[in-house]
Amino acid sequence: NAGVMQNPRHLVRRRGQEARLRCSPMKGHSHVYWYRQLPEEGLKFMVYLQKENIIDESGMPKERFSAEFPKEGPSILRIQQVVRGDSAAYFCASSQTGGANSPLHFGNGTRLTVT
Amino acid sequence: QKEVEQNSGPLSVPEGAIASLNCTYSDRGSQSFFWYRQYSGKSPELIMFIYSNGDKEDGRFTAQLNKASQYVSLLIRDSQPSDSATYLCAVSGGRNNNDMRFGAGTRLTVKP
Repeated sequence: NAGVMQNPRHLVRRRGQEARLRCSPMKGHSHVYWYRQLPEEGLKFMVYLQKENIIDESGMPKERFSAEFPKEGPSILRIQQVVRGDSAAYFCASSQTGGANSPLHFGNGTRLTVT
Repeated sequence: QKEVEQNSGPLSVPEGAIASLNCTYSDRGSQSFFWYRQYSGKSPELIMFIYSNGDKEDGRFTAQLNKASQYVSLLIRDSQPSDSATYLCAVSGGRNNNDMRFGAGTRLTVKP
């Protein structure tokens, strides 16, 4: 499967625990984007990364959230000390070239539930 | 003002009719415009993209862009029940050159 791979598909965490969401971009894609989607709402941009670099994290909450895209391995979105308000679907997308004209290809998402 | 605005719907059309989905955006410098379809519980999938003013047709789908009015639309001809989904308008370029901004989506229901 050459598509964007996200895991896990579903993640349940208790308040205060850490959540780690993984994303492997499509083969040949080096640009990764993370979005959050609440029920009945659109996709909210969080962060844009290239290999080993954060390009734009303007949509990322200042505390508890971090993202990385190491030279080897998947991109990781980490949420520390989760709260109920973090419950959402988190989608990763990748593109081949980045930039305004580059369509995004989405993974199946990780549905995070905080109890 | 939201950066990308869509009528949330639901929009209901009979099978075989034309469904018209509309979107406006606030950043006049935006360069690229995309329509994604999202079935309930699934990930968004790209339907069409358009960069220039005018119409762009692909099968039953036509995207229309008017940069002067900051308006983009999607027409679905001969609507089918399988077209029932939420349609997301997305805009990139402009101030937020690095990322794509999405509207909240319009829910379309095609009734047999």
